[in-house]
Amino acid sequence: DAGVTQSPTHLIKTRGQHVTLRCSPISGHKSVSWYQQVLGQGPQFIFQYYEKEERGRGNFPDRFSARQFPNYSSELNVNALLLGDSALYLCASSLAYAGANYEQYFGPGTRLTVT
Amino acid sequence: GQQVMQIPQYQHVQEGEDFTTYCNSSTTLSNIQWYKQRPGGHPVFLIQLVKSGEVKKQKRLTFQFGEAKKNSSLHITATQTTDVGTYFCAATGSSGSARQLTFGSGTQLTVLP
Repeated sequence: DAGVTQSPTHLIKTRGQHVTLRCSPISGHKSVSWYQQVLGQGPQFIFQYYEKEERGRGNFPDRFSARQFPNYSSELNVNALLLGDSALYLCASSLAYAGANYEQYFGPGTRLTVT
Repeated sequence: GQQVMQIPQYQHVQEGEDFTTYCNSSTTLSNIQWYKQRPGGHPVFLIQLVKSGEVKKQKRLTFQFGEAKKNSSLHITATQTTDVGTYFCAATGSSGSARQLTFGSGTQLTVLP
């Protein structure tokens, strides 16, 4: 069985641009969460979606948005990119949302560099 | 928001020595999970602890959840070079917005051969 997949693997953008990151969960998983991981730090929670509804949002500005599609895949959008948005963006899928004590399976991440 | 403190930040050990990382919260946790991230890789789930005072073992790894459900530890016995990586605890609070998964800052383990 395929694990969590993310695309693209790497991305270089300029300040002020917009970016869309994509994630496909493990088959059968209905929850997708997004995390930002800056070098040397732990993943920071951005969003969680379950059954196509937002179930949680971390402390990130409105420039960050996400959605989940009927096939449970998800997109993370970031507008008006700043240098500080440079990070590894991780997608994780689980059977249910984290509040229900389910382990999360992480994808390989998208390395975003903003110049 | 909920915070999870993890110490130490770095640990260098000689192969064969033991290693322990600690995770602490000021609030009661619903559960705690442990993940391992190899250099250049992504976090991989190791285990989840739910019950007060719970202890779980995976070969050379021992995981503990405190009686008050506010702290946890991961102990590795007789480290090997394959144990190299960053170990993160991740906790879910017991109510409201705290139910999102909050990661500690991680302990980066280096094992010297």
